[in-house]
Amino acid sequence: ETGVTQTPRHLVMGMTNKKSLKCEQHLGHNAMYWYKQSAKKPLELMFVYSLEERVENNSVPSRFSPECPNSSHLFLHLHTLQPEDSALYLCASSQERSGYEQYFGPGTRLTVT
Amino acid sequence: GENVEQHPSTLSVQEGDSAVIKCTYSDSASNYFPWYKQELGKRPQLIIDIRSNVGEKKDQRIAVTLNKTAKHFSLHITETQPEDSAVYFCAPYGGYQKVTFGTGTKLQVIP
Repeated sequence: ETGVTQTPRHLVMGMTNKKSLKCEQHLGHNAMYWYKQSAKKPLELMFVYSLEERVENNSVPSRFSPECPNSSHLFLHLHTLQPEDSALYLCASSQERSGYEQYFGPGTRLTVT
Repeated sequence: GENVEQHPSTLSVQEGDSAVIKCTYSDSASNYFPWYKQELGKRPQLIIDIRSNVGEKKDQRIAVTLNKTAKHFSLHITETQPEDSAVYFCAPYGGYQKVTFGTGTKLQVIP
């Protein structure tokens, strides 16, 4: 499969659950991103990884924990979430130094009950 | 961090008319200025971009203009069509992965 893929596409979880979102890019990029998209803040940058090192963390609550084991994979580990965390979580990748264009995955629609 | 403002937040135009969306940013180090289009239920996708050494770029019915002195850039869509209906985001890039998306403009093209 080409481009950026995300699994699962939909997720419903309780506030006490632990779950993980997965993102995989097949573009050979060296930077990956997590965004939260909700009605209140359309595209909110959460985390950036460049060359597998985190370079940005925009004051995201600790109940969100990213992991980037290699340049092709990115995870977002979720625990003890709140109903206001319900949103679309988008993953993106880019190749720094050759365009900066971001390629987005289809997103995971998360509902916290 | 970068302050990015996008105007208008909603825009309705008749099919065939032009649409203009403006993005204002604060970081003078920004050097890459893209516009993304997000159709309902789909992922954002780049439609046009411009770099800081260029004032204008055109691709068929869409164009982007940049005013680095005033720190704003605009998306221009001519001869609008119903398929142009979407949310448009600007995302000025300040280097070292410092990208901030605007709040979005919902464009509705009325047939």
